[in-house]
Amino acid sequence: QKEVEQDPGPLSVPEGAIVSLNCTYSNSAFQYFMWYRQYSRKGPELLMYTYSSGNKEDGRFTAQVDKSSKYISLFIRDSQPSDSATYLCAMSDSQGAQKLVFGQGTRLTINP
Amino acid sequence: KAGVTQTPRYLIKTRGQQVTLSCSPISGHRSVSWYQQTPGQGLQFLFEYFSETQRNKGNFPGRFSGRQFSNSRSEMNVSTLELGDSALYLCASSSGLGNTEAFFGQGTRLTVV
Repeated sequence: QKEVEQDPGPLSVPEGAIVSLNCTYSNSAFQYFMWYRQYSRKGPELLMYTYSSGNKEDGRFTAQVDKSSKYISLFIRDSQPSDSATYLCAMSDSQGAQKLVFGQGTRLTINP
Repeated sequence: KAGVTQTPRYLIKTRGQQVTLSCSPISGHRSVSWYQQTPGQGLQFLFEYFSETQRNKGNFPGRFSGRQFSNSRSEMNVSTLELGDSALYLCASSSGLGNTEAFFGQGTRLTVV
């Protein structure tokens, strides 16, 4: 079993919908949680960075971490066609950003 | 502020050859981490260098090695290439001090034939 599990999709939704992306993990040492967006043939782009449990909001994006359930989520409000990409969750323990464990990535398509 | 620069962007090599990839981190960042991305395995951590020293290492064979220079630029070397080494190789730059964000380059796409 992988340390981080993420549904690879693909996920297809209409423009304007609320998108929910999720990851589960097994390593209770993980403390730092990130979401990256990766367009085709590009490197991952950092979207959200959170520490421990709780919510964090940035524009149309909201990240939630529930350490008790070992479950993290990314919500995208008012989704746009330009949000179409692969979304990767990543996490790390006390070693931080220098050694990330990634989920498989969810391919998301927003249909106009 | 310049981002993370990886060169070359694309590379085609023959089985058995070796290859060297380069990564220049964001100015002021001292940590460079390398990752391999394949459709089957996703993104996997290779190793991390901080102040010219390897600080973390993933579960890859010894054919994969790296180094970091005094200006924080890093190189990754893969010797005796195998077909399975075909992948997107990404480097990530971070300050290396405490738990801060990691920023990725565009990657080098290596194809082994």
